[in-house]
Amino acid sequence: RKEVEQDPGPFNVPEGATVAFNCTYSNSASQSFFWYRQDCRKEPKLLMSVYSSGNEDGRFTAQLNRASQYISLLIRDSKLSDSATYLCVVTEYSSASKIIFGSGTRLSIRP
Amino acid sequence: GAVVSQHPSWVICKSGTSVKIECRSLDFQATTMFWYRQFPKQSLMLMATSNEGSKATYEQGVEKDKFLINHASLTLSTLTVTSAHPEDSSFYICSAYPPGRYSNQPQHFGDGTRLSIL
Repeated sequence: RKEVEQDPGPFNVPEGATVAFNCTYSNSASQSFFWYRQDCRKEPKLLMSVYSSGNEDGRFTAQLNRASQYISLLIRDSKLSDSATYLCVVTEYSSASKIIFGSGTRLSIRP
Repeated sequence: GAVVSQHPSWVICKSGTSVKIECRSLDFQATTMFWYRQFPKQSLMLMATSNEGSKATYEQGVEKDKFLINHASLTLSTLTVTSAHPEDSSFYICSAYPPGRYSNQPQHFGDGTRLSIL
């Protein structure tokens, strides 16, 4: 089983739709969680951190479910500019901190 | 916010050439920087952790003699791909944590370097 798993997609949804994707992680000791957005041939950019209490930033909502070991990202009223690959990132801490990327979920918003 | 600069952004060179990529933290000191590689349609894969003033820590399967890392100052880490071959063609990205207790901070990424070996 992969340490961090994401549905690769692609998710193809119409503009204005609500779309959600999950990311599961295998290590219950994981401590920090993030969603990054990566446009084609560009570096990842932080979209939002994910907190246990859940957090919202405009049209984006991220949630963490420690019991089931997954995080989610919800995008409401999707825009064409939301088309990108969304990477789930999990950080584990032991003697050496470990940063693990999911393989990414490709999202395509159509007019 | 914290900025990480990477240079060059694109390199095209002949097989057998050694290529150096620089990663700089512009407004903060980074004792640790990370080097990733990303092949098309795949996720970022950590290659090595660069530590200022000491040897880099390489991930399993990454040849340290092939990918030389030097972290000579608190704001600069370099990755040299020695005797590059077409299979080394990839997108290389560095990252660093901003100052403070980085355990719960997101990383900041450089712009990436697209390496094409002919």
